[in-house]
Amino acid sequence: DAEITQSPRHKITETGRQVTLACHQTWNHNNMFWYRQDLGHGLRLIHYSYGVQDTNKGEVSDGYSVSRSNTEDLPLTLESAASSQTSVYFCASSPDYYNEQFFGPGTRLTVL
Amino acid sequence: DAKTTQPPSMDCAEGRAANLPCNHSTISGNEYVYWYRQIHSQGPQYIIHGLKNNETNEMASLIITEDRKSSTLILPHATLRDTAVYYCIVRAQGAQKLVFGQGTRLTINP
Repeated sequence: DAEITQSPRHKITETGRQVTLACHQTWNHNNMFWYRQDLGHGLRLIHYSYGVQDTNKGEVSDGYSVSRSNTEDLPLTLESAASSQTSVYFCASSPDYYNEQFFGPGTRLTVL
Repeated sequence: DAKTTQPPSMDCAEGRAANLPCNHSTISGNEYVYWYRQIHSQGPQYIIHGLKNNETNEMASLIITEDRKSSTLILPHATLRDTAVYYCIVRAQGAQKLVFGQGTRLTINP
């Protein structure tokens, strides 16, 4: 069955380190999204992509970057991890306009 | 995208219908109403969406008022597994982004 996966599911890192969170979907969806979720803030959009080589900033993009070299993957990179980036990160994908987004299981990142 | 307002929490007895309200008084003509839910520690799950007509699927029904300023998500026979945070989201036609608010924490009681 087609699916969307995230790895790792849990990650502990140190301040200043570069971290990459993987997101992989097998639906061949053009649109992919990264959100973070913190207590009291709900889900907030970090970056998104509408297709290969396309990336866009969301509402909380500072300190994060993404690249889209193929349809299936949208890795999220924290260039220099900060404690404020401790959060649960969700990846999502959707096929086209008006359709629902399908979310991955999440990655819990702790920055010490 | 229009702003939505939902009660922070609600309770419902198992087996009864759960009715979750959402206010979106500034919605514009090309904006759809979407509902998602998030069960503890999992990624959000799509439930249903609509423009102006009432919609029903295997999970729920969506009732949108005639003026489109509010809507109600109905879970007809709530079970304990329906305990989750429910998000009402307004999304413009052609827009791909979802803007999540705080949602309603629904607790189904045995």
